[in-house]
Amino acid sequence: DQQVKQNSPSLSVQEGRISILNCDYTNSMFDYFLWYKKYPAEGPTFLISISSIKDKNEDGRFTVFLNKSAKHLSLHIVPSQPGDSAVYFCAARNTGGFKTIFGAGTRLFVKA
Amino acid sequence: GAGVSQTPSNKVTEKGKYVELRCDPISGHTALYWYRQSLGQGPEFLIYFQGTGAADDSGLPNDRFFAVRPEGSVSTLKIQRTERGDSAVYLCASSLQSGGNTGELFFGEGSRLTVL
Repeated sequence: DQQVKQNSPSLSVQEGRISILNCDYTNSMFDYFLWYKKYPAEGPTFLISISSIKDKNEDGRFTVFLNKSAKHLSLHIVPSQPGDSAVYFCAARNTGGFKTIFGAGTRLFVKA
Repeated sequence: GAGVSQTPSNKVTEKGKYVELRCDPISGHTALYWYRQSLGQGPEFLIYFQGTGAADDSGLPNDRFFAVRPEGSVSTLKIQRTERGDSAVYLCASSLQSGGNTGELFFGEGSRLTVL
């Protein structure tokens, strides 16, 4: 039972353009959402998060959008850079709990 | 270093053997998690410690898997009678606190286990 779904295994984008990574969730109890970035042979590192009381959170080139009614969130990276090439994991949790549930990840390739 | 440290980084073992994977969390982090990541998948929750106690071990796949954190800092994940399906990267993460905290998890680089 996948509670967090990332349906695109990979995405290829030209340098300077926008990257949009999508994520859907099924558990309506989730109220805090995170994006992690992972390079090969490294552990995931936190990128950006959003609480369910917001619909947008921005940090530099990274913006996360949340659509609660659709149970959908997306990560926008603009402009994309070759160093952004990595696997991006969407994750969700219930702030009353402790278990963070991860999606399967989307591998982003940013071409120079 | 100041990050989460996991040893060994790579472990190759034979089917049926016993394996221990160690995690040294960030100093002062009371919450510690073990996740397992199989090829092409995201991290899958195994067990969570708050201090010395396992607050939730519902993700452990079966009774061959066990984890301890006797002094509330270093944790060891133990796998008995390993099977080929146990092959994966085992990730450890820590955070300042949990249960209502929205803080992110800090991950180690993982221990890659290969069972031949």
